Amino acid sequence: GQNIDQPTEMTATEGAIVQINCTYQTSGFNGLFWYQQHAGEAPTFLSYNVLDGLEEKGRFSSFLSRSKGYSYLLLKELQMKDSASYLCAVRDNYGQNFVFGPGTRLSVLP
Amino acid sequence: DAGVTQSPTHLIKTRGQHVTLRCSPISGHKSVSWYQQVLGQGPQFIFQYYEKEERGRGNFPDRFSARQFPNYSSELNVNALLLGDSALYLCASSSSEGTGTNYGYTFGSGTRLTVV
Repeated sequence: GQNIDQPTEMTATEGAIVQINCTYQTSGFNGLFWYQQHAGEAPTFLSYNVLDGLEEKGRFSSFLSRSKGYSYLLLKELQMKDSASYLCAVRDNYGQNFVFGPGTRLSVLP
Repeated sequence: DAGVTQSPTHLIKTRGQHVTLRCSPISGHKSVSWYQQVLGQGPQFIFQYYEKEERGRGNFPDRFSARQFPNYSSELNVNALLLGDSALYLCASSSSEGTGTNYGYTFGSGTRLTVV
């Protein structure tokens, strides 16, 4: 079966660092993606991991451990505009579609 | 360049009715996928079309159907609407059959369907 788990909600303070975890059990794996989705808007691409390790893009970093079925998204120097839902998604073997997690709603407080 | 465009942006339908949602992919993108996102949940895969052929189908009933036109735009049709069909319907396009790039899809802003 396909299963992706993320915390439902998280709260952090402006300027702080937050880590959003994602665990997955999928029948195939061809990459793990993180998307950001503001309320009422389309998901937008944040990061991509296909090999184990850390990928860094500015204030955002993503980590993958394929043997553990685990990823995290690290957000540094949080800003109010980072308040959004963060979606973890696994791409299937054929690269034809994604299995999405339920999303983590992050609230950044002043 | 225009991104992925979807129409209409909002729609209210009555149970039992039929609905057609439309999507225009990014220019040059030949693959279109449809996702359903119920409030508070992640998107769920419905269909993928590439070069006008169905390439993948998610776990949705036969009331859901789709097609892709020669200009690569796509329609999602839902018959006999149920209250549970109320959701944000997202269209996503990519340049290849698989989302072979590191950037996966580009999503449209979605159609918010409310069934009453």
